[in-house]
Amino acid sequence: SYELTQPPSVSVSPGQAARITCSGDALPKQYACWYQQKPDQAPVLVMYKDSERPSGIPERFSASSSGTTVTLTISGVQAEDEADYYCQSADNSGTYQVFGTGTKVTVL
Amino acid sequence: QVQLVQSGAEVKKPGASVRVSCKASGYTFNSYYIHWVRQAPGQGLEWMGRIDPTSGTTTYAQTFQGRVTMTRDTSTSAVYVALSSLRSEDTAMYYCAISPIIMGHAFDHWGQGTMVTVSA
Repeated sequence: SYELTQPPSVSVSPGQAARITCSGDALPKQYACWYQQKPDQAPVLVMYKDSERPSGIPERFSASSSGTTVTLTISGVQAEDEADYYCQSADNSGTYQVFGTGTKVTVL
Repeated sequence: QVQLVQSGAEVKKPGASVRVSCKASGYTFNSYYIHWVRQAPGQGLEWMGRIDPTSGTTTYAQTFQGRVTMTRDTSTSAVYVALSSLRSEDTAMYYCAISPIIMGHAFDHWGQGTMVTVSA
């Protein structure tokens, strides 16, 4: 079955940039999106259609796509950005949705 | 505003079945697919499948084929997920979510989650 691979953890100092990658063979063909999830809360969409930001999401969140890898960047990380982040996309057929393995972002 | 309100927590014995509901409001019910996603304690997100509220057509993740059933009731703007032959590994938070076409595959609104515990 199709898989999306993320690094398990990323640590960053306040004010620095955090970059989280997501790799999958179908990413050149399918849109990717990103979610932030804090403990005991439902996920929140922070990026969609590879690089679009929903209303209400701070501008420090951005994303890009290159080949089989998509990257979420949090510029000027703040303490409140500490959370788990998941990418999501579809398989080559566009029928089955898949979540990435998840990345825990720790703000030092 | 868009709201997805799910039913309350469930405790089931191994081998039993469970049904979780998700009531939608604040938008035209038939407009968007509704998906189900689960998350075991301390684990990642897992897509279970989706239902087209207009036609009732379903697509299930291969992991759940044969054990999951998704249905909808257009008269009450509700969708349901049923999971049978429960085992301890099915203990998880279950979420419903919608994916507007304009957002690509993205789920832009989520329910609050329903905790299902499978224990003898």
